[in-house]
Amino acid sequence: GAVVSQHPSWVICKSGTSVKIECRSLDFQATTMFWYRQFPKQSLMLMATSNEGSKATYEQGVEKDKFLINHASLTLSTLTVTSAHPEDSSFYICSAAGTGETQYFGPGTRLLVL
Amino acid sequence: DAKTTQPPSMDCAEGRAANLPCNHSTISGNEYVYWYRQIHSQGPQYIIHGLKNNETNEMASLIITEDRKSSTLILPHATLRDTAVYYCIAVTGNQFYFGTGTSLTVIP
Repeated sequence: GAVVSQHPSWVICKSGTSVKIECRSLDFQATTMFWYRQFPKQSLMLMATSNEGSKATYEQGVEKDKFLINHASLTLSTLTVTSAHPEDSSFYICSAAGTGETQYFGPGTRLLVL
Repeated sequence: DAKTTQPPSMDCAEGRAANLPCNHSTISGNEYVYWYRQIHSQGPQYIIHGLKNNETNEMASLIITEDRKSSTLILPHATLRDTAVYYCIAVTGNQFYFGTGTSLTVIP
């Protein structure tokens, strides 16, 4: 149980384009979903928290207009990196939590912006 | 959330118990201690969590000191597949702030 998927697993795009990453909870309803970013040899950094049907709450320093988050249902959240630049290249990981605090993480999406 | 401190790296012989310490001296009474691990290039995997009492599941045991200022994750019989970065997180509410973790290497 508690499986979270992400799609795509990796993506390469040109600078200036937008990229959408999907996060799905496959066998439970996710009241809250989270998006993290991880640079090489660093720890995970929380970007934003989203509740189904509500606007996401962004961490300090994370641009909400650049990283658009939509949590349209209890099993799906999407992260769109708008006008991506090389410095946005990173490992993006989502997680989902049901009624408790325990978060279950997806496998991650590796983004490379050329 | 309370800050946690972990040693940056540890080695453990295959088949032996791996004991990973975590210091959370500023933890508050309602903060849970969560442990996750991250194998290279994958998302973190939930291991175990606890509040005051020691906990055990099929993956590991969690020992929390009586004053709750530190805890130890125990992998009873480490295998090569347990090589990963282990994160200890003190949590109030639903937001996790990851520290740098402990890189555990299980040696054949």
